[in-house]
Amino acid sequence: GAGVSQSPSNKVTEKGKDVELRCDPISGHTALYWYRQSLGQGLEFLIYFQGNSAPDKSGLPSDRFSAERTGGSVSTLTIQRTQQEDSAVYLCASSPGGGRWNTEAFFGQGTRLTVV
Amino acid sequence: RKEVEQDPGPFNVPEGATVAFNCTYSNSASQSFFWYRQDCRKEPKLLMSVYSSGNEDGRFTAQLNRASQYISLLIRDSKLSDSATYLCVVNGRSNAGNMLTFGGGTRLMVKP
Repeated sequence: GAGVSQSPSNKVTEKGKDVELRCDPISGHTALYWYRQSLGQGLEFLIYFQGNSAPDKSGLPSDRFSAERTGGSVSTLTIQRTQQEDSAVYLCASSPGGGRWNTEAFFGQGTRLTVV
Repeated sequence: RKEVEQDPGPFNVPEGATVAFNCTYSNSASQSFFWYRQDCRKEPKLLMSVYSSGNEDGRFTAQLNRASQYISLLIRDSKLSDSATYLCVVNGRSNAGNMLTFGGGTRLMVKP
């Protein structure tokens, strides 16, 4: 079956513009995560969805960042008024979640965002 | 204290060496544990789950110590292709429910 799909794969934007990044999780996966990763750095947690709700959005770095998930499926991460320090790879992952244990997460290939 | 902590490395080892990584976690209610591997400029992928009794997959051995709240990964007979970042992942109940938490990763470089 299809894995986690992210679009676009690459995005170059001008400083100050808004961008939307999309994640299509694996069908039936209720848990969805957004991370970002700067070159040579570790994963930085942004937000976690269980279904349509976000019980943990503690990682969003500023109020310019927001995310939503509709229908328990597709999620969009929006960055308003982009800054150069927002340049990174944005990774989405999904897992079956809910009350199930020992369930791994599957990652998409990421969106490489470059703010110029 | 971070929920999941790893030594970032890098660990530089010669081919054929045995290398071990540890990872500590803070949530004593955690139930599921994993090691992921991330190659340069690629997304993380599951390497192996970690079971209570410890488990082995070829050259890789994972162990869990609940009392001390750490997991370990042992790689025997290192290959050049083992060079990557190894991420420790813990899945446990918290205020955010049943959520996966990733460590920062340990970088391994295997040299000829």
